[in-house]
Amino acid sequence: DGGITQSPKYLFRKEGQNVTLSCEQNLNHDAMYWYRQDPGQGLRLIYYSQIVNDFQKGDIAEGYSVSREKKESFPLTVTSAQKNPTAFYLCASSIGLGKLIQPQHFGDGTRLSIL
Amino acid sequence: QQQVKQSPQSLIVQKGGISIINCAYENTAFDYFPWYQQFPGKGPALLIAIRPDVSEKKEGRFTISFNKSAKQFSLHIMDSQPGDSATYFCAASILMNRDDKIIFGKGTRLHILP
Repeated sequence: DGGITQSPKYLFRKEGQNVTLSCEQNLNHDAMYWYRQDPGQGLRLIYYSQIVNDFQKGDIAEGYSVSREKKESFPLTVTSAQKNPTAFYLCASSIGLGKLIQPQHFGDGTRLSIL
Repeated sequence: QQQVKQSPQSLIVQKGGISIINCAYENTAFDYFPWYQQFPGKGPALLIAIRPDVSEKKEGRFTISFNKSAKQFSLHIMDSQPGDSATYFCAASILMNRDDKIIFGKGTRLHILP
């Protein structure tokens, strides 16, 4: 089945530690996205990538970093500079730039908590 | 101008009733309006979507009504069932300056009473 796989489902971070959230898709989509979800805040865009080896900051990129070395993979690193990392992180993908119909497909998220 | 305002924040409806969630936008360049349904611990899933050249779209018990002049669109869930209890997000999409971003509303938590 085609879809987006996020891992791990739960993750705990110690103070001063960087952690990396995995996102893999087998939908052959060009575009991939990372969102942060907090209660009552909806979905806020962290980073997005339209093509391999290229990515752009979203609305809340500070304290996060990404890479896009392969079309299928878009890992997110939550750095120690992110002072309030506790949230539900969602990865998504879409067909890509220039397509008129562009629904986003989401993974089932990673819940990150601070120890 | 890029915001999508969604209301209400939470909604309680009796089983069999009609659930109505509203969204409003400012940017007339938006050309795609999807609704997403999210169950606890899961990612959002596309429920139904509409383009601005259509005033209504129906899929089963779910209907989107679109008012282009008022820049508003709404989701109606007919014969609401307890299994419809979830968080619903409206969204709007625009292609500009090589960006391919989708703007989400803040969500509505819907609870259907059995």
